[in-house]
Amino acid sequence: DIVMTQSPDSLAVSLGERATINCKSSQSLLYSSNNKNYLAWYQQKPGQPPKLLFYWASTRESGVPDRFSGSGSGTDFILTISSLQAEDVAVYYCQQYYTTPYTFGQGTKLEIK
Amino acid sequence: EVQLVESGGALVQPGGSLRLSCAASGFTFSVYWMTWVRQAPGKGLEWVANIKGDGSEKYYVDSVEGRFTISRDNAKNSLYLQMNNLRVEDTSVYYCAREFGGFDAFDFWGQGTTVTVSS
Repeated sequence: DIVMTQSPDSLAVSLGERATINCKSSQSLLYSSNNKNYLAWYQQKPGQPPKLLFYWASTRESGVPDRFSGSGSGTDFILTISSLQAEDVAVYYCQQYYTTPYTFGQGTKLEIK
Repeated sequence: EVQLVESGGALVQPGGSLRLSCAASGFTFSVYWMTWVRQAPGKGLEWVANIKGDGSEKYYVDSVEGRFTISRDNAKNSLYLQMNNLRVEDTSVYYCAREFGGFDAFDFWGQGTTVTVSS
């Protein structure tokens, strides 16, 4: 199984500051035939289901604010929030869909400092 | 508007069985792969199983293989998860989600249904 490891486990950032979450996979998620990285990012707020933020590592889902960005390729990926807003407090998960079993990172809890 | 509504969660004893349902609306259900994801209390997300639009392909996480069966009824726009020989560690909120395509991200999620396995 592909192991997804996020860092840090938790993060406290001041409003308006940048937040960066890392995700590392145990094997490459880049499929050579289409040059796509099979990596998604989700946001989960308390008591709610997860919400898709990015797919193919960097394609923003419709309606996601542009202060969010996804980057990376191969085994190393980054979710960045350029200017943290109060409504961004949540747990963030990366997920690989390169092969089954699909696997998630352990989650990163983002809080306001 | 895409909607996914899970039902069937309950308190069940270890070794028992349960069938979860997910009613889909707002999209052409038969075209999409569908997935079950679970989340144990206070824990992260775990993918459980998925099924192709026509039901011809199914995949499971090892921990449920042989105990859980995913199925769908495209005439009823419904997804199911039959869970047998339940264990305490199966206690979770179970979400159904739509896969954007096969081997793809999950673009819509239901609100979840709670399964508690306890004696």
